[in-house]
Amino acid sequence: GESVGLHLPTLSVQEGDNSIINCAYSNSASDYFIWYKQESGKGPQFIIDIRSNMDKRQGQRVTVLLNKTVKHLSLQIAATQPGDSAVYFCAENTGNQFYFGTGTSLTVIP
Amino acid sequence: GAVVSQHPSRVICKSGTSVKIECRSLDFQATTMFWYRQFPKQSLMLMATSNEGSKATYEQGVEKDKFLINHASLTLSTLTVTSAHPEDSSFYICSAREGAPRGTQYFGPGTRLLVL
Repeated sequence: GESVGLHLPTLSVQEGDNSIINCAYSNSASDYFIWYKQESGKGPQFIIDIRSNMDKRQGQRVTVLLNKTVKHLSLQIAATQPGDSAVYFCAENTGNQFYFGTGTSLTVIP
Repeated sequence: GAVVSQHPSRVICKSGTSVKIECRSLDFQATTMFWYRQFPKQSLMLMATSNEGSKATYEQGVEKDKFLINHASLTLSTLTVTSAHPEDSSFYICSAREGAPRGTQYFGPGTRLLVL
């Protein structure tokens, strides 16, 4: 498989600041990407998606940027709130399956 | 968004027993369901992909005789961990997709398995 089981990197931000979470994907043929949020002991929750024919997509307080040249994806969260504390995963769609990145643990400091 | 449920949410069993986990799509028909496992502080590892009415496709390194998957209907898939051992203790998460291969996956809440 293409998912990686490494220990999570962490990011701490002050409440109200913007957060940027990065993800490198592995397959240049992947054409659909999703960011998920996972709170402790729960399943992943869909945040935002982007297809490979786009470079940027915005949602409510979140923006996803896609750089296909370097196979890099980022999630920007504006005005980060304590409720945003969670682990964030990017997932790339390759054929019939999704493969997950390592994930980043975001902690928001009140 | 679409709702996916899992049952049970938590199970403790003795080594050597088999455990069945159910995954249901509650408000849509899932042509494809996926099973993942997740160890603490790690990412989700895809175990297998199942399409309704056909045999599951297992990822490399996942024993299909150990992890039996049945996708008997468009709303139900089951994962049976046979002869469970302590190293099988993990968080098992299913997801379901409604249609096209590029469609969004919706995840269940996960099942915490502890094998004593």
